[in-house]
Amino acid sequence: EAGVAQSPRYKIIEKRQSVAFWCNPISGHATLYWYQQILGQGPKLLIQFQNNGVVDDSQLPKDRFSAERLKGVDSTLKIQPAKLEDSAVYLCASSLLAGAYNEQFFGPGTRLTVL
Amino acid sequence: AQRVTQPEKLLSVFKGAPVELKCNYSYSGSPELFWYVQYSRQRLQLLLRHISRESIKGFTADLNKGETSFHLKKPFAQEEDSAMYYCALNPSNTGKLIFGQGTTLQVKP
Repeated sequence: EAGVAQSPRYKIIEKRQSVAFWCNPISGHATLYWYQQILGQGPKLLIQFQNNGVVDDSQLPKDRFSAERLKGVDSTLKIQPAKLEDSAVYLCASSLLAGAYNEQFFGPGTRLTVL
Repeated sequence: AQRVTQPEKLLSVFKGAPVELKCNYSYSGSPELFWYVQYSRQRLQLLLRHISRESIKGFTADLNKGETSFHLKKPFAQEEDSAMYYCALNPSNTGKLIFGQGTTLQVKP
């Protein structure tokens, strides 16, 4: 089966610029996750969608980050304006449903460098 | 607070030696715990989950609620086991994963 797709794979921007990441989950997966992974740390959940509704966005810095999943399939994550500390790998994952029994499948990630 | 701690950043062993990657968690409820692995230039992927009580690629992990640990073990390491390993906690069966900092396992020939 095709895996989770993400683009771009790499992005370099100046601080205060805007950036957007795109994710296409595995077909039929209702749950989609965005994680932020800072160098030397484990992934940290930013937002979880169930279809096109937000389940958990408690760790999303809402003053600068936004995410949407309008038709319950693809998702975009936006940062506006970017800060130096946003430099990280942004991982998208999907699962058939939410819950511990549903394996999360990860995309290759987008590596963001903010200069 | 819900937290996962992996105390070792790097674990280096020789091929054929036993391996134990440590994971401790902090969670007041009944935990759901996982080990994820990332091989070089590959995606993060599920290795095993405690509820399945399975052995994958020779690895096992036992949940010890008394010690709040979920250590990953393998009796004889292979070079192809070299990778980054993450322990993760799913609180309240929400699907949300809380990851530890990760441990790099290096298996030397």
